[in-house]
Amino acid sequence: ETGVTQTPRHLVMGMTNKKSLKCEQHLGHNAMYWYKQSAKKPLELMFVYNFKEQTENNSVPSRFSPECPNSSHLFLHLHTLQPEDSALYLCASSLNIAGGYNEQFFGPGTRLTVL
Amino acid sequence: DAKTTQPNSMESNEEEPVHLPCNHSTISGTDYIHWYRQLPSQGPEYVIHGLTSNVNNRMASLAIAEDRKSSTLILHRATLRDAAVYYCILRDSGQGGSEKLVFGKGTKLTVNP
Repeated sequence: ETGVTQTPRHLVMGMTNKKSLKCEQHLGHNAMYWYKQSAKKPLELMFVYNFKEQTENNSVPSRFSPECPNSSHLFLHLHTLQPEDSALYLCASSLNIAGGYNEQFFGPGTRLTVL
Repeated sequence: DAKTTQPNSMESNEEEPVHLPCNHSTISGTDYIHWYRQLPSQGPEYVIHGLTSNVNNRMASLAIAEDRKSSTLILHRATLRDAAVYYCILRDSGQGGSEKLVFGKGTKLTVNP
């Protein structure tokens, strides 16, 4: 496989469930990102990882817990979510976080519905 | 990140050129101008970026004003597959700058057959 893949593509969960989103990149990049895209709102950055270390948490509630075991994999662990957390969750990667000119490659996203 | 202003929507006809404008009057000297687009039901994809000079690639051209306070993404011959939301984003390449992308609402491009 090439590029950035995300699983599952669709997820429906109850507010008391625990689930995880997975992202994998096959591009040899060192930086990975989680974004959230809610209906009628712009894409917003959630977390940034560089060489497995978290470098940014954009005031995300603790019910979202990221994990980056290596530069190729990124997880988003979900627990006790609210219906307003229903959104498209997008993963992206880039060569690194410095420079301002490296393009980011996005996965297809996971469409999450919280009942 | 400095802010950008784009029209909410634009329409074009297939096989005609499209000029998508972006204003960024508060741009700093170290800000790169990036364009991404998001096709329906997909994640965003990189289109092009530039600093001061006009840029061309296989997808599009980027024309940057001399004072850098505005730029225009040019699709030379629009196809139906170009229908998407186009985002103009500034990214700081200076010390302390990051790869963080700050998305606005973008311009929704409709291409008519």
